[in-house]
Amino acid sequence: KNQVEQSPQSLIILEGKNCTLQCNYTVSPFSNLRWYKQDTGRGPVSLTIMTFSENTKSNGRYTATLDADTKQSSLHITASQLSDSASYICVVSAGDSSYKLIFGSGTRLLVRP
Amino acid sequence: SQTIHQWPATLVQPVGSPLSLECTVEGTSNPNLYWYRQAAGRGLQLLFYSVGIGQISSEVPQNLSASRPQDRQFILSSKKLLLSDSGFYLCAWSVQLGSYEQYFGPGTRLTVT
Repeated sequence: KNQVEQSPQSLIILEGKNCTLQCNYTVSPFSNLRWYKQDTGRGPVSLTIMTFSENTKSNGRYTATLDADTKQSSLHITASQLSDSASYICVVSAGDSSYKLIFGSGTRLLVRP
Repeated sequence: SQTIHQWPATLVQPVGSPLSLECTVEGTSNPNLYWYRQAAGRGLQLLFYSVGIGQISSEVPQNLSASRPQDRQFILSSKKLLLSDSGFYLCAWSVQLGSYEQYFGPGTRLTVT
């Protein structure tokens, strides 16, 4: 069964600190992996998209890594800001039906001053 | 640039009442359109997708239906709402079916009482 699991479920950090969010998936065949940021009550916004051949991709203070062998991904946030408070969702696309996205339940991040 | 709109932003409806949620996309032609539902603490679930006017594919059996009367308009409906229909409904579009990037609307929060 295609699944995406994220950890931790929630995380609280102080402003300026770094953090890393984890994503494990069991999706086959794999097409691509995306990280989305979703502010409360809003639609998700794409941060990064990685295909099988990409190990890392950055978007400003956000850096995503992908290990296709172990089927793990991480999202590292550097020098966190209050505006980083949001849910971060890992999404995997299956190669046979790449429009069908398998969503993780997200990690809720709270950045405190 | 492309924009996607959803309305209403929030809706409270009694059980057994009808539902109509609307999604429109601007700035692109012949988009692929999607309806998702996000239950509290759960990942997004694909409900319907459409590759063109009048073409609707359903992903899960349910109390809801979708229609696409115009190229850039996607409507989610129900004749009689159930309590279990409560959730956050998101519309999304992509350039191609299976395109790497899906762009999400702001969402509609539906509460069935």
